[in-house]
Amino acid sequence: EPEVTQTPSHQVTQMGQEVILRCVPISNHLYFYWYRQILGQKVEFLVSFYNNEISEKSEIFDDQFSVERPDGSNFTLKIRSTKLEDSAMYFCASSVIPASNQPQHFGDGTRLSIL
Amino acid sequence: GENVEQHPSTLSVQEGDSAVIKCTYSDSASNYFPWYKQELGKGPQLIIDIRSNVGEKKDQRIAVTLNKTAKHFSLHITETQPEDSAVYFCAAGRGNQFYFGTGTSLTVIP
Repeated sequence: EPEVTQTPSHQVTQMGQEVILRCVPISNHLYFYWYRQILGQKVEFLVSFYNNEISEKSEIFDDQFSVERPDGSNFTLKIRSTKLEDSAMYFCASSVIPASNQPQHFGDGTRLSIL
Repeated sequence: GENVEQHPSTLSVQEGDSAVIKCTYSDSASNYFPWYKQELGKGPQLIIDIRSNVGEKKDQRIAVTLNKTAKHFSLHITETQPEDSAVYFCAAGRGNQFYFGTGTSLTVIP
């Protein structure tokens, strides 16, 4: 069964540094998402992306965050200047069409640790 | 915005018994309700979903019910097995995003 793959599985970064999290969505999917899960808390929506632009974003997704689809397969999340509170699991997801009535398929996440 | 509440936060059942997890949502515009199972170190995996035009859906030992009027939906797992032990999340879909519940840690005791 096709899967969403994320790299790296664990990223350790010094506070203030830039970090890029990478995702390869399922190949025939058109909508891509990033979510965040702080340890022990619920999964929180960050951003959705379609046709090379952001469709929706949450209050969490401030100017420090950006997303990009640099080629036909990768989807990246960049945090420009990391803060301690950015430490969390970051999940990428993809779907064939918008979430309003279709499932999103999640990767296994990247654990981001900010020191 | 949407607010999804999930109960209980932890649930322990004996193997073979049933488990029920309940969620409520606040926004009547939400129209899609998936349930995800998350095992340690893994991402959420879809186990069942229901759309707002359906009241109940079943897939083998797993069933979901939806009450649109009351804005609540429930996950039912029958004949539980130890491999059902995981964290379960409900979600409500509206627009391009999901709003997740806080999760239920289910432990099935052999």
